[in-house]
Amino acid sequence: GAVVSQHPSWVICKSGTSVKIECRSLDFQATTMFWYRQFPKQSLMLMATSNEGSKATYEQGVEKDKFLINHASLTLSTLTVTSAHPEDSSFYICSTTGETQYFGPGTRLLVL
Amino acid sequence: GQNIDQPTEMTATEGAIVQINCTYQTSGFNGLFWYQQHAGEAPTFLSYNVLDGLEEKGRFSSFLSRSKGYSYLLLKELQMKDSASYLCASGGANNLFFGTGTRLTVIP
Repeated sequence: GAVVSQHPSWVICKSGTSVKIECRSLDFQATTMFWYRQFPKQSLMLMATSNEGSKATYEQGVEKDKFLINHASLTLSTLTVTSAHPEDSSFYICSTTGETQYFGPGTRLLVL
Repeated sequence: GQNIDQPTEMTATEGAIVQINCTYQTSGFNGLFWYQQHAGEAPTFLSYNVLDGLEEKGRFSSFLSRSKGYSYLLLKELQMKDSASYLCASGGANNLFFGTGTRLTVIP
């Protein structure tokens, strides 16, 4: 399966600041990556589909101006949480697609 | 619409067999996936069924009945390390919809 990395693995920030999370496909070129969010004891909720060289596709209810996605190369997609608030504290996971989806290790965000 | 149902929690004994059921109602069905997720970690792929029947892979097997919208994951010879959440997901590689997961606790 594909190898996916995320950075940082965890981050603590103050309310109102912005946080950037990187997702890298290490062993193949990914034209499509996915960003999920998972709250404690809940399942993964798809936030957006990141497409290399074009705009991301956001799921209903996800604010595109708050969660900025950039997929400038075939190996890197970034998610920026702008003006983060405590309710944005969550586990953010990216994935790339092959015969199935392969997930990165996740980024735990805590907004104080 | 999309809907996936699985039990919230299950407990089983080390060395035993456990079956985790999943029923689904999704549009554009392309397959049924099972993932394992340990606490604080990302999901890892376990199995994929697109045709009816049982797929066996070591201690883990997965079954699918498309006419019934039903799948199960069977874990044999349970080990303590199998304590995790098991997520059922339907769709295709580009469009997965996840259930809420079943939290399995394996006890000695």
